[in-house]
Amino acid sequence: NAGVTQTPKFRVLKTGQSMTLLCAQDMNHEYMYWYRQDPGMGLRLIHYSVGEGTTAKGEVPDGYNVSRLKKQNFLLGLESAAPSQTSVYFCASISRVGHADTQYFGPGTRLTVL
Amino acid sequence: DAKTTQPPSMDCAEGRAANLPCNHSTISGNEYVYWYRQIHSQGPQYIIHGLKNNETNEMASLIITEDRKSSTLILPHATLRDTAVYYCILSNFGNEKLTFGTGTRLTIIP
Repeated sequence: NAGVTQTPKFRVLKTGQSMTLLCAQDMNHEYMYWYRQDPGMGLRLIHYSVGEGTTAKGEVPDGYNVSRLKKQNFLLGLESAAPSQTSVYFCASISRVGHADTQYFGPGTRLTVL
Repeated sequence: DAKTTQPPSMDCAEGRAANLPCNHSTISGNEYVYWYRQIHSQGPQYIIHGLKNNETNEMASLIITEDRKSSTLILPHATLRDTAVYYCILSNFGNEKLTFGTGTRLTIIP
């Protein structure tokens, strides 16, 4: 049971390049989220999914797209990277047991856009 | 507007109890209080949550005031590995979005 994994761990892009971040979970969770965290800041929600085939916008969705074609995977895409997207990206999946929502986070992807 | 207020930083001596406060004066009746922590550069880690009763698990205790306008996370015997940023978050069950603020940076001092 690997929990939540993210690939890649690090990436450097030039402005205008595109890339896809992959989040995978093996806990059969319905809900998955993508956050970004800038230096000295808290986490901000980019997009989220409440189940396979569904996605929704979070707090800071501009410049990102997502897809949830399979329940275990949640992809975050940057079509044309900008320096403002330099950040650490965290994926999370949510366990719902009784009345408790517990988020399990991946180790993060550190992205630098030059 | 922030829904919770936490001190930006705190220190605690190793082996002592660390008490982290959180104010949430506008909490609604169906909102839970959650605590997460983030150890340097790692993904956040769930600690504990509660609605109105005090809660305890293997990591910590959560004390919620009777009016639910504030709470305290207690780490009973702090170790150096507890040095982290601690986040107090409000969430409705079924509300998919958690809003992370800037948290409290707890430093455990040897």
